[in-house]
Amino acid sequence: DTGVSQDPRHKITKRGQNVTFRCDPISEHNRLYWYRQTLGQGPEFLTYFQNEAQLEKSRLLSDRFSAERPKGSFSTLEIQRTEQGDSAMYLCASSLTSGQADTQYFGPGTRLTVL
Amino acid sequence: GQSLEQPSEVTAVEGAIVQINCTYQTSGFYGLSWYQQHDGGAPTFLSYNALDGLEETGRFSSFLSRSDSYGYLLLQELQMKDSASYFCAVKTNAGKSTFGDGTTLTVKP
Repeated sequence: DTGVSQDPRHKITKRGQNVTFRCDPISEHNRLYWYRQTLGQGPEFLTYFQNEAQLEKSRLLSDRFSAERPKGSFSTLEIQRTEQGDSAMYLCASSLTSGQADTQYFGPGTRLTVL
Repeated sequence: GQSLEQPSEVTAVEGAIVQINCTYQTSGFYGLSWYQQHDGGAPTFLSYNALDGLEETGRFSSFLSRSDSYGYLLLQELQMKDSASYFCAVKTNAGKSTFGDGTTLTVKP
């Protein structure tokens, strides 16, 4: 257990529905990242926050995806009008920017299945 | 954009030494990280290089050559529990991290 938690751990939904995932990072960490991972691939960057500011968002991310970190603590990732291609593991990671190292601590992930 | 290349699979025997290479192309390079991921688990941090040279952490070492856009992870005294996927990840000045597709290491008795 890294101290990063994600909820839910599994989500099954029908195509066209909206889903929302939550990530609670390690409390003192100022950076929070969202990734998507499919079988046999590395984590694919989606977006990241420094405190409450969303600093970068992947160009691969369609307008159906949105993320928030309203108080600089927990974050939510929403997918609207889900498609079967959205089926993946959604990983959250947090880090504390200090010095050079950027050790990211990953949560257990939310596995999304879109039927 | 960023791109990384690493071998898809590596096999070695218990007690051996294995090296997993990673070459990258990126703008705004800041550092190279290595992560381990067991089946069904989340990635866990192993090592980070921002400067040229070797970083050693127990049985694991990581090397970076910024001029060659190249790094490697060295695993010594391999154990069965080291069977996992290993990812290199490039961090840019903008704070974004891009992961490679991973190398599946199989350790045989």
